[in-house]
Amino acid sequence: GENVEQHPSTLSVQEGDSAVIKCTYSDSASNYFPWYKQELGKRPQLIIDIRSNVGEKKDQRIAVTLNKTAKHFSLHITETQPEDSAVYFCAASKGGSYIPTFGRGTSLIVHP
Amino acid sequence: NAGVTQTPKFQVLKTGQSMTLQCAQDMNHNSMYWYRQDPGMGLRLIYYSASEGTTDKGEVPNGYNVSRLNKREFSLRLESAAPSQTSVYFCASSPERGGLYEQFFGPGTRLTVL
Repeated sequence: GENVEQHPSTLSVQEGDSAVIKCTYSDSASNYFPWYKQELGKRPQLIIDIRSNVGEKKDQRIAVTLNKTAKHFSLHITETQPEDSAVYFCAASKGGSYIPTFGRGTSLIVHP
Repeated sequence: NAGVTQTPKFQVLKTGQSMTLQCAQDMNHNSMYWYRQDPGMGLRLIYYSASEGTTDKGEVPNGYNVSRLNKREFSLRLESAAPSQTSVYFCASSPERGGLYEQFFGPGTRLTVL
């Protein structure tokens, strides 16, 4: 089955810096890659996603890039703010499967 | 719309006790899921239901059973709770083919087994 590796497990940055979280996946047939943000004590919520026919997608301060050849995708957050502090999960899935495979999460800490 | 709701929010059980976690969604979604979240382990799938009337095992099904009562409701039962089942449980739903669409999560149930 699919295996998703996520790095780093913890990321500490200063407010205003950029943050990058990387994920690799094993199944070359995967074609949907969402990112979820989970604030402390809250539920995970989708913040951005990308499909395999697109190499990059942006939404204000966040962006996701996908390299299908290398089987990795990354989340980029620019001009980080304290409210960006949360755990971020990547996931990968493919058509015909009802199940996304999640990475283990990255705890992002943004220091004021 | 309430989205995905779960009850209870908190529960403490003694080893060997049983309980059912309830989940409901009002978005007319076909697929529903139960996950457990433990520190450093991410979200691990317990069971899922691709559509009303079907259920399938996920990554960590042992010690759990599920019932897809109707299109809206998907319950998770612990028949004989064990301390290893102490965790935060999330229910989720997706329009269909959950792997290709956003999952909407409930607020979670924090379960402690003594």
